[in-house]
Amino acid sequence: DGGITQSPKYLFRKEGQNVTLSCEQNLNHDAMYWYRQDPGQGLRLIYYSQIVNDFQKGDIAEGYSVSREKKESFPLTVTSAQKNPTAFYLCASSIPAGQKNIQYFGAGTRLSVL
Amino acid sequence: EDKVVQSPLSLVVHEGDTVTLNCSYEVTNFRSLLWYKQEKKAPTFLFMLTSSGIEKKSGRLSSILDKKELFSILNITATQTGDSAVYLCAVVSGGSQGNLIFGKGTKLSVKP
Repeated sequence: DGGITQSPKYLFRKEGQNVTLSCEQNLNHDAMYWYRQDPGQGLRLIYYSQIVNDFQKGDIAEGYSVSREKKESFPLTVTSAQKNPTAFYLCASSIPAGQKNIQYFGAGTRLSVL
Repeated sequence: EDKVVQSPLSLVVHEGDTVTLNCSYEVTNFRSLLWYKQEKKAPTFLFMLTSSGIEKKSGRLSSILDKKELFSILNITATQTGDSAVYLCAVVSGGSQGNLIFGKGTKLSVKP
């Protein structure tokens, strides 16, 4: 069954702590993305990667970091520098970004601060 | 700056009603417009539109794009409670390196 798996579904972060959100896809897509969604807001792009071992900052990259060592995996680390991390985080993937760029999404991780 | 604006932001209707959701955009070098439905978690893809005037249809949902006036509409006829969701509009532009620019969404609530 092809798809995008995000884990965990819920995550709690203590102040000063780094936490990592997992995103795995078996769709054989080259491009992967991380978005943040706040209540009443659209999706805002944090980081994206169009190919293994390469990634670019999106609109709100400060306080976040990513890696892309494997095609299937694109983990997101929320660092202690992100002062307002409480949000719903969505991972997506697509064939290489271009004219069409239909992105398919995982079920999301809801991050809260303790 | 690229921008996607959806209206209304929220809407409450009764089952059987027909609704029209709006999406207008100002982007550099438009490439395509996408509609997604988000219930509780993952947005699911509905339509992709690239050409003006060609209606895309799937069951009770349909969508059309006007590239001259820079907007799209999503119509839902004979609404059901299962249509309750946030509907997201996103645009791919040349100015965004091919990435999606999302509007804030329209929250649709369908009452029995």
